[in-house]
Amino acid sequence: NAGVMQNPRHLVRRRGQEARLRCSPMKGHSHVYWYRQLPEEGLKFMVYLQKENIIDESGMPKERFSAEFPKEGPSILRIQQVVRGDSAAYFCASSPGTVPSNGYTFGSGTRLTVV
Amino acid sequence: GENVEQHPSTLSVQEGDSAVIKCTYSDSASNYFPWYKQELGKRPQLIIDIRSNVGEKKDQRIAVTLNKTAKHFSLHITETQPEDSAVYFCAVPSGAGSYQLTFGKGTKLSVIP
Repeated sequence: NAGVMQNPRHLVRRRGQEARLRCSPMKGHSHVYWYRQLPEEGLKFMVYLQKENIIDESGMPKERFSAEFPKEGPSILRIQQVVRGDSAAYFCASSPGTVPSNGYTFGSGTRLTVV
Repeated sequence: GENVEQHPSTLSVQEGDSAVIKCTYSDSASNYFPWYKQELGKRPQLIIDIRSNVGEKKDQRIAVTLNKTAKHFSLHITETQPEDSAVYFCAVPSGAGSYQLTFGKGTKLSVIP
């Protein structure tokens, strides 16, 4: 079981470019959660997805951010026209059901740096 | 929404001493309380969790205690070792489906050899 896989591990983008972050859940898991961690802070919920459905995007900024989890392939977190304030670590987690009864397993994260 | 307060923000202990980190939460309906350890540049890893039907849970040198009446839970690390140095986060489920975790701001623990 390879665990939750995220790539890339590190991503550098210039202001105004697009960032695409990928997350492959653990085998057998169909629920994915994205969290953002700003420097020196805790993780903050962004979005919860099931295959082909966005269940809760209450933590997503209203503009420039979008997420998808297609029938085939990884979940994608997309940030358009990045700004310096988007620099953060982005973690995804997966679970087999709606309530992660045994706690989340996080991927290794993608560290986005906007220059 | 859920409000989680974590204290202290930094903690230094001598190797072999105990460390205690406390979290308070606001939603009395919460029933699952995990603790995560995050080493520098790495992912948060679940180290212990407790459900509301018990008051204490131990796993070797770490333990978590829960006081549902007072709405707080604590992480206890005994016989600390340098490899315990990390940032520790408490979390509480929030939102309608309780699938969302609200994290505390973290405690940076330094164990001095």
